[in-house]
Amino acid sequence: EAGVVQSPRYKIIEKKQPVAFWCNPISGHNTLYWYLQNLGQGPELLIRYENEEAVDDSQLPKDRFSAERLKGVDSTLKIQPAELGDSAVYLCASSIGGTDTQYFGPGTRLTVL
Amino acid sequence: AQSVTQLGSHVSVSEGALVLLRCNYSSSVPPYLFWYVQYPNQGLQLLLKYTSAATLVKGINGFEAEFKKSETSFHLTKPSAHMSDAAEYFCAVRAPNTGNQFYFGTGTSLTVIP
Repeated sequence: EAGVVQSPRYKIIEKKQPVAFWCNPISGHNTLYWYLQNLGQGPELLIRYENEEAVDDSQLPKDRFSAERLKGVDSTLKIQPAELGDSAVYLCASSIGGTDTQYFGPGTRLTVL
Repeated sequence: AQSVTQLGSHVSVSEGALVLLRCNYSSSVPPYLFWYVQYPNQGLQLLLKYTSAATLVKGINGFEAEFKKSETSFHLTKPSAHMSDAAEYFCAVRAPNTGNQFYFGTGTSLTVIP
């Protein structure tokens, strides 16, 4: 069974540029999560989807971050414009339901110059 | 509010020695508790989880953790460290009254000395 797939694995951009990350969850997993992981820290939830509905986006900085999961399967997280402080690893996870074990992808490491 | 505290951001043990990684939680209701491991440049992998069944939980790769309500702890142990255990370990808590949101600790980096 394929795990959670994320792309790209690494991204380097200049500040003020836009960037997008893509995540394909494990087949059959209805719940999808985007996390931010700063260096030396644990993951912090940005947004959680139940199917195509964002049920928890309270920690998503909506002035520059946006996310979508149009068909309830794969998802895209966008930053526009990127700031230096956005340099981090962006993790995607999925679970069968909102109460089940989360399975994580390898993450996208973003560097903003 | 839920939170997780991992004591010791770095732990070093000799190969073959006992591994003990500490985790304390705060939760107003009985929580679900998890340990994840993260190898360099990889995502988090579930080691084990406590979901209100047996208080001693066995996980993969010889790890286990014991839920102690009186101490609000969920420490991770392994009797004999292996070189391949070197990684970052995260404790996480999920409480039903918070919309099932996960709260992660800041992580403990384990170094295994040959």
